Amino acid sequence: NAGVTQTPKFQVLKTGQSMTLQCAQDMNHEYMSWYRQDPGMGLRLIHYSVGAGITDQGEVPNGYNVSRSTTEDFPLRLLSAAPSQTSVYFCASKRRQIGNQPQHFGDGTRLSIL
Amino acid sequence: TQLLEQSPQFLSIQEGENLTVYCNSSSVFSSLQWYRQEPGEGPVLLVTVVTGGEVKKLKRLTFQFGDARKDSSLHITAAQPGDTGLYLCAGAPGVGNQFYFGTGTSLTVIP
Repeated sequence: NAGVTQTPKFQVLKTGQSMTLQCAQDMNHEYMSWYRQDPGMGLRLIHYSVGAGITDQGEVPNGYNVSRSTTEDFPLRLLSAAPSQTSVYFCASKRRQIGNQPQHFGDGTRLSIL
Repeated sequence: TQLLEQSPQFLSIQEGENLTVYCNSSSVFSSLQWYRQEPGEGPVLLVTVVTGGEVKKLKRLTFQFGDARKDSSLHITAAQPGDTGLYLCAGAPGVGNQFYFGTGTSLTVIP
């Protein structure tokens, strides 16, 4: 039971570098999302997708890009890393956009920007 | 200011004590969910409450949705060390697509 798989688990970047955080789910879920988690702030939504080819912005989208070319994959790109983007990033999926289904989370990517 | 505010932010209690965690908003939610997160892992869903005034029980955990669907509470009876973790409420206000999480309550139960 793979569920939601995130890679890498840890990453250190220098200011100005770019990178892609990978997220894959094997549950055929329509809805996928990216969150960042910072102390005292819970999880904040960065971007989400309601299906292949459809993405939209969340609460804190600046500095991040996403694409959804397949149902399974939803990568998050940092265009030019900044120290303020140091955080733990979680990818999640659920069966459909609407409804009370649970969101299934990956184990996170811990990202440090120096 | 975040859409869902939780209190307290930190809670440290002795095994066997009772506690309540609150999740408050000025917005109306069609439903609210509660998640628990353990260190190094993603959040895992505990319960979903849908109807105003609804009470759901999960063993020693009792969840309540406010009558006006703007707030929720989580009560734990006779806390155990295994209850230690970060508790998060979450929901989507109105008919929007965005799903918001609360600020979180970090619970430590001391044996």
